Amino acid sequence: GDSVTQMEGPVTLSEEAFLTINCTYTATGYPSLFWYVQYPGEGLQLLLKATKADDKGSNKGFEATYRKETTSFHLEKGSVQVSDSAVYFCALSLAGKSTFGDGTTLTVKP
Amino acid sequence: DTGVSQDPRHKITKRGQNVTFRCDPISEHNRLYWYRQTLGQGPEFLTYFQNEAQLEKSRLLSDRFSAERPKGSFSTLEIQRTEQGDSAMYLCASSLELAETQYFGPGTRLLVL
Repeated sequence: GDSVTQMEGPVTLSEEAFLTINCTYTATGYPSLFWYVQYPGEGLQLLLKATKADDKGSNKGFEATYRKETTSFHLEKGSVQVSDSAVYFCALSLAGKSTFGDGTTLTVKP
Repeated sequence: DTGVSQDPRHKITKRGQNVTFRCDPISEHNRLYWYRQTLGQGPEFLTYFQNEAQLEKSRLLSDRFSAERPKGSFSTLEIQRTEQGDSAMYLCASSLELAETQYFGPGTRLLVL
């Protein structure tokens, strides 16, 4: 079946550091790919998405590129802020069904 | 109201009791999804509806679980004879039919004692 594997956390960075959270997937078709973020005490929010190979999703300084050849969708940000502290989930969606990774907890220290 | 809402937000029950959760999707969304999330894991797909039709059910959805969306608007998820292993966050999401982006509600946290 479909699956998503995320870099294990937790990840702790200093403010303004570069962030990478790795995500790879296995799917039977050609999925859309997503990053969701969950801030403390809040629900899941869509951060960015990409619907086909080589698409780059971006939002709030975060970016991820849909790499079909490596089945990856790594999340990057050039300079993290304390307010980016949250849990990040990589997900794929295919034929109406979404499959999520287990999440990566990011803590950014001032 | 522009988001997905869920009720209740928290539920504590005793083992063996039945519980029912409600989800109100974004009004123009005809797809509605239920997920379960346990601590330290990502959401797991349970089932989804297109309008009032239940199109897919996960094998995680045992016969103690039932979901309905009778008029293609709100949905209910019922768990009968709850077990401690049912303790989790139950998430609802909605989307437009031809869009893959799902919008999530705040969830209902269930604790079975």
